[in-house]
This record gives sequence, C-alpha cells and structure tokens, in this order.
Amino acid sequence: QKEVEQNSGPLSVPEGAIASLNCTYSDRGSQSFFWYRQYSGKSPELIMSIYSNGDKEDGRFTAQLNKASQYVSLLIRDSQPSDSATYLCAVNRGGGADGLTFGKGTHLIIQP
Amino acid sequence: GAGVSQSPSNKVTEKGKDVELRCDPISGHTALYWYRQSLGQGLEFLIYFQGNSAPDKSGLPSDRFSAERTGGSVSTLTIQRTQQEDSAVYLCASSLNRVDQPQHFGDGTRLSIL
Repeated sequence: QKEVEQNSGPLSVPEGAIASLNCTYSDRGSQSFFWYRQYSGKSPELIMSIYSNGDKEDGRFTAQLNKASQYVSLLIRDSQPSDSATYLCAVNRGGGADGLTFGKGTHLIIQP
Repeated sequence: GAGVSQSPSNKVTEKGKDVELRCDPISGHTALYWYRQSLGQGLEFLIYFQGNSAPDKSGLPSDRFSAERTGGSVSTLTIQRTQQEDSAVYLCASSLNRVDQPQHFGDGTRLSIL
C-alpha cells in the first residue's frame, strides 16, 4: 500500500516568515516528487518537482528531498497572505502505469 | 498556451443516470490521467493513458466506470448507473510523455448525484 503522509494542519505562519511543509512516503521505489498548491474550490497547481536528493530552489520556494529517510519538504520564504492554501505532496514510482499518489494536504494560513 | 480543458464544469444528475465527462489535454501531451477528489478526501488516481492505451484499469472504483481516449487527445470518463457515492470532483491532468514528468490539472468537473 503506497502512502503519503502530511500533517493536515492548519499551519499558521506570520507574514514574512518561512513556512515549512513536510511529507513522508512509504514506497522506497518512489522516484518523482511534486508539490502542488490548491486554493479552496480550485484544482491543484504545480509548484515544484524534485527528483534527486538535496535542495531545489525556485524563487521563494525550496523543495528538499531525502530518499534515505523517505522525506520531502517544501519551504516558502517571505510568506505572503496569497500563499494561504492547501499544499499537496505527491509521489510517483515512475516507469509504471499508475499516477501520482497524493497526501491529503497541509492547510497553510499566512497571518497578515 | 491553452491548459487542460474539462467539460462540463458542473454536472447534477439523478441517481441511476449515466454521465460522461470530457478532458482535452495540453496540446502535445501524450500522457493523460483521471483523478477523483471527494469532499475532505485526498486525490484518488483512477486511470492513466499513454496515447490511446490504458495499461492498467485497476484504479477505476467499479465496473460502472470506464474511460477511453481517441486520437491520442480527448478522453472521456463514463460513469454508468450513478450512485450518490460517485459525487466528487473529477480531475484530469496531462504530462508531456511520461508518468514521472509534472502533471498539469484541468479545472475539474464537479459531479453531484441527487
């Protein structure tokens, strides 16, 4: 059973601070890792993808991957109220015929 | 450019009716996926197409669900004899050509079964 676990939150962070979102996964064969942002009533929007151990930075976002610990995280620097949303972690084994396995998401609230 | 397009955006129907949901992927994307998101639940993977072929249909919730893709582009998800538990948002996504590449989602079809 492939599982992706996230703290449901809500995670409340002051504006301008760093928001740290965490995710663990059970399938050691997972090769591809994604973070999506989902506003209420909207569809998921891709934020970051990461495939190798280490950090990947894109603007205010940094994804971190540790395959040995089966752990992936997303850091949001200089958090803005517009970052308030549910953040979904998704993993894929790759090479197979299945889609992404999603966590249930962390609800992030940025307090002005 | 145009993103993933889904229609209808909303569908309300009576229990026992059949419904057909449509997805038009991003131009040039050969991989297409269907997911379902129920209220308060995570996204549930249903089926994946590479071109017109779906290698594994085991993710479909029951034999009332079927999907097809023609011409390597538009896909339809059909639910026969709908039940109230089928109420959910049905999301379609596409990626360039492999399952390990980023998937981009459409706006979804919100299905309500009365």
